[in-house]
Amino acid sequence: SQQGEEDPQALSIQEGENATMNCSYKTSINNLQWYRQNSGRGLVHLILIRSNEREKHSGRLRVTLDTSKKSSSLLITASRAADTASYFCATRGAQKLVFGQGTRLTINP
Amino acid sequence: EAGVVQSPRYKIIEKKQPVAFWCNPISGHNTLYWYRQNLGQGPELLIRYENEEAVDDSQLPKDRFSAERLKGVDSTLKIQPAELGDSAVYLCASSFSTWVYDGETQYFGPGTRLLVL
Repeated sequence: SQQGEEDPQALSIQEGENATMNCSYKTSINNLQWYRQNSGRGLVHLILIRSNEREKHSGRLRVTLDTSKKSSSLLITASRAADTASYFCATRGAQKLVFGQGTRLTINP
Repeated sequence: EAGVVQSPRYKIIEKKQPVAFWCNPISGHNTLYWYRQNLGQGPELLIRYENEEAVDDSQLPKDRFSAERLKGVDSTLKIQPAELGDSAVYLCASSFSTWVYDGETQYFGPGTRLLVL
């Protein structure tokens, strides 16, 4: 069963714009992670935010976590064509990582 | 540093046939995972190994799926017999440790795309 639910399921923006994806989950977590998957390839870890953290940055990525609302957001600033991919949130509970269904992001030139 | 290696990359078989997938994790990673990813979905964990021990196989359909990780390094996932619904991408991942503070990151291989006809 998948815990995380990403919103929107698909997002299409112009190059240079910012992209925001949201993730909601149901049970308590130790941490939340975001992964990227390019077409036909494996997943690549982007960023991890722990349950006691509220915001984290990595390059053009900004992740927030609101444990009271059981939600997280991933912001990609100044998007590039190479950012076109599917983005998955994954929640780390007591035993394992559970992935959501992903947001398909398309960056138009 | 070499990443997680998986083979084959693609496999087409007829239903009821057996199939096997192989994974070589990143050197030094003691935790290995097998996931199944259906089209348009996120990966779902099938089994997790800590060294040689399968510590979580609750999602592995044991009537037809089996896995092994001999010597705590390479791993093989087998399906026998395959069914139409097994068509998916099978991903292998590894991590240094699930319990070390900064050992959470999982590194994924490119996956094996299985099509059962």
